[in-house]
Amino acid sequence: KNQVEQSPQSLIILEGKNCTLQCNYTVSPFSNLRWYKQDTGRGPVSLTIMTFSENTKSNGRYTATLDADTKQSSLHITASQLSDSASYICVVSAPTGGFKTIFGAGTRLFVKA
Amino acid sequence: DAGVIQSPRHEVTEMGQEVTLRCKPISGHNSLFWYRQTMMRGLELLIYFNNNVPIDDSGMPEDRFSAKMPNASFSTLKIQPSEPRDSAVYFCASSPKQQRVASTGELFFGEGSRLTVL
Repeated sequence: KNQVEQSPQSLIILEGKNCTLQCNYTVSPFSNLRWYKQDTGRGPVSLTIMTFSENTKSNGRYTATLDADTKQSSLHITASQLSDSASYICVVSAPTGGFKTIFGAGTRLFVKA
Repeated sequence: DAGVIQSPRHEVTEMGQEVTLRCKPISGHNSLFWYRQTMMRGLELLIYFNNNVPIDDSGMPEDRFSAKMPNASFSTLKIQPSEPRDSAVYFCASSPKQQRVASTGELFFGEGSRLTVL
């Protein structure tokens, strides 16, 4: 069964600190992996996308990594800000018939002043 | 540029009533998706359309749920009759140049419609 599992479920950090969120998937075959940020009361917004051949992608203070061999991805946030408080959702797409996108349950990040 | 527009943002209704959620995708996007989000189950794909045609509705939970896309700029998700377990946030998303078989497209989400069924 295709699954996407994220850890930790929630995380509290102090403003200015770094953090890393994890995503493990069993989706196969694999098309691409995206990280989305979802602010409270808003819709998810794409942060990064990586295909099978890419192993790192940055978007400002966000850096995503991908190890397609171990089927693991991480999202590293540098110098966190209060506005980083949100849910971060790992999403894996499979190039099967039709549109198969599997969402992780998300990691809820709280950045405290 | 206008993003995906959903209405209503909030809906409170009583069990048994009909609920209609509306979505206007981003102009030029040819794929549209309806998702449901709950604390317990996260984001679940209900149905998606490609060029106004329903491609996969296997995520629609029951016959009480129906979705239409009469044209490229409008879609509805209807629940009739509604039940308390339908309470959730319903998101509409659109994507450009989606292909039927393979997908690499970014999903652009609306702000969601929060449904509460009493």
